[in-house]
Amino acid sequence: GQNIDQPTEMTATEGAIVQINCTYQTSGFNGLFWYQQHAGEAPTFLSYNVLDGLEEKGRFSSFLSRSKGYSYLLLKELQMKDSASYLCAKAAGNKLTFGGGTRVLVKP
Amino acid sequence: AAGVIQSPRHLIKEKRETATLKCYPIPRHDTVYWYQQGPGQDPQFLISFYEKMQSDKGSIPDRFSAQQFSDYHSELNMSSLELGDSALYFCASSLEQDTRNTIYFGEGSWLTVV
Repeated sequence: GQNIDQPTEMTATEGAIVQINCTYQTSGFNGLFWYQQHAGEAPTFLSYNVLDGLEEKGRFSSFLSRSKGYSYLLLKELQMKDSASYLCAKAAGNKLTFGGGTRVLVKP
Repeated sequence: AAGVIQSPRHLIKEKRETATLKCYPIPRHDTVYWYQQGPGQDPQFLISFYEKMQSDKGSIPDRFSAQQFSDYHSELNMSSLELGDSALYFCASSLEQDTRNTIYFGEGSWLTVV
């Protein structure tokens, strides 16, 4: 299997920073996606990493270490609307395999 | 910008009936994917098509079939529906030649089997 692991749930305060870790098996790896999904809605694309390093996009940043099979999504200046599930997805071939998602709850 | 369009958005069927979901990819995208997401679960890959040919197959039941047409839209046909088929079905698309190969999802089709 792809063994994509991420924490089930995280809670943080509005304005704070949260880091969501994701580990995966490195075999067949093409790239690593992060998606945000609100309940009952489609996953929306946040980031895509294929090379090692940090990619910053506004309040969201994503990091990848290919050799370690590790990625994280960093959410800064948390807002209430950031409460959602964050899905880590490994691209292998032409399909995505998702982790179980991390539910982030932002509290006032 | 145009996104991935799915129809119908909601569908209610009885057990043993047949359902068809449609997906219209982002213009110029040549690859279509189908995912199934049960309640409280992560999306599971079902099947994908590139240039109208099946390119990969995941956990798609034998009761389901899909195809991609000449205009690149795709249809997922589900027969002998079971209660466990109730889920959110996502279609996604990408452009093969895009080196990033970013995959974009449609808003999903809710299927409820009663």
